[in-house]
Amino acid sequence: NAGVTQTPKFRILKIGQSMTLQCTQDMNHNYMYWYRQDPGMGLKLIYYSVGAGITDKGEVPNGYNVSRSTTEDFPLRLELAAPSQTSVYFCASSYTQGAGQPQHFGDGTRLSIL
Amino acid sequence: GESVGLHLPTLSVQEGDNSIINCAYSNSASDYFIWYKQESGKGPQFIIDIRSNMDKRQGQRVTVLLNKTVKHLSLQIAATQPGDSAVYFCAENGASGGYNKLIFGAGTRLAVHP
Repeated sequence: NAGVTQTPKFRILKIGQSMTLQCTQDMNHNYMYWYRQDPGMGLKLIYYSVGAGITDKGEVPNGYNVSRSTTEDFPLRLELAAPSQTSVYFCASSYTQGAGQPQHFGDGTRLSIL
Repeated sequence: GESVGLHLPTLSVQEGDNSIINCAYSNSASDYFIWYKQESGKGPQFIIDIRSNMDKRQGQRVTVLLNKTVKHLSLQIAATQPGDSAVYFCAENGASGGYNKLIFGAGTRLAVHP
């Protein structure tokens, strides 16, 4: 199994451009998450989903949108890129929300907004 | 506000020694704690977790200790190897009480020297 796969691995955007960060998992996990990681900081939750068709805001949702049309995919959309969105973005998934059901992470998308 | 912090941002150890990485948490309502390892260019990798009804939990070469009285968490790595060099994050579930909205610390870098 590939686990959690994120594409692209790197991207440079101009201010005001839009893009979608892709995330797919092949573990049949119900829960999926998007985090951002700024230099020297811990991960901050942007959005999460508990199943297809259901999404909810995390700690830092402003400037982002998500959708969950299938169990496998959880894309993150930036509509108007801003320099403050320069970060490394991680997608994660877990089977359920119980303790002992840890989140499994992809290898990230490194995004620079210039 | 809620926060998860680390006492030592960088820890250098000799190969074969035991390592102890510390973490302080501020939210007394947290009842679930996790340690992740992040290697350069990779996503966080689950190491071990512990619930608040336990003081200690052991895995393969790793032990997590939880002291709820002083809100302190530690990760002990036995016989540290070069492959253990990475950034280690602790996380708590905070006031939400569930397991979706994890709060991550900034991380401690572990450097293992031969």
